[in-house]
Amino acid sequence: GQNIDQPTEMTATEGAIVQINCTYQTSGFNGLFWYQQHAGEAPTFLSYNVLDGLEEKGRFSSFLSRSKGYSYLLLKELQMKDSASYLCAVSGDQGGKLIFGQGTELSVKP
Amino acid sequence: DTGVSQDPRHKITKRGQNVTFRCDPISEHNRLYWYRQTLGQGPEFLTYFQNEAQLEKSRLLSDRFSAERPKGSFSTLEIQRTEQGDSAMYLCASSPLGHQPQHFGDGTRLSIL
Repeated sequence: GQNIDQPTEMTATEGAIVQINCTYQTSGFNGLFWYQQHAGEAPTFLSYNVLDGLEEKGRFSSFLSRSKGYSYLLLKELQMKDSASYLCAVSGDQGGKLIFGQGTELSVKP
Repeated sequence: DTGVSQDPRHKITKRGQNVTFRCDPISEHNRLYWYRQTLGQGPEFLTYFQNEAQLEKSRLLSDRFSAERPKGSFSTLEIQRTEQGDSAMYLCASSPLGHQPQHFGDGTRLSIL
């Protein structure tokens, strides 16, 4: 079966660092994506990992361990506008369709 | 790059009616995907096209659902004889070939009365 797990909710303080974890079990693996989705809006692409290790892009970093079926998204210097749902998704086959987790609702408090 | 465009943004209809949604992908993108998203959940794959060919349909997609991409550009998703359980956000995404990020439209929110 295909399964992607991430925490339902997290809360963090403005200016702090937060790590959102994602574990996956899929029949194939062609990469892991992180998307940000504000309420009522489209998911927007944040990062892509296909090899093990850390990818850094500004305040956002994403890590992948294929042997452990594990990824995390690290958000630094949190801002109020970072309050959103963060979606972990795996591309499992050549067609590129994405299998999504349920999303982690992040609330950033002042 | 005007992004992925979906129309309408909202659709309210009575149970049993047919509805059709349209998606205009980013112009140079070969692949077009349809997903469905309910409150508090991640998007769920429905179907995808590579150019005009529909290459995969989810087993969750009943025969009341049909999608087309006649000229390999825009796509339509039709739901016949709508049911309460069809109420959801329908998202369209497009991407180039290969393992590239998908770019999503703002979605069509369907409400069944």
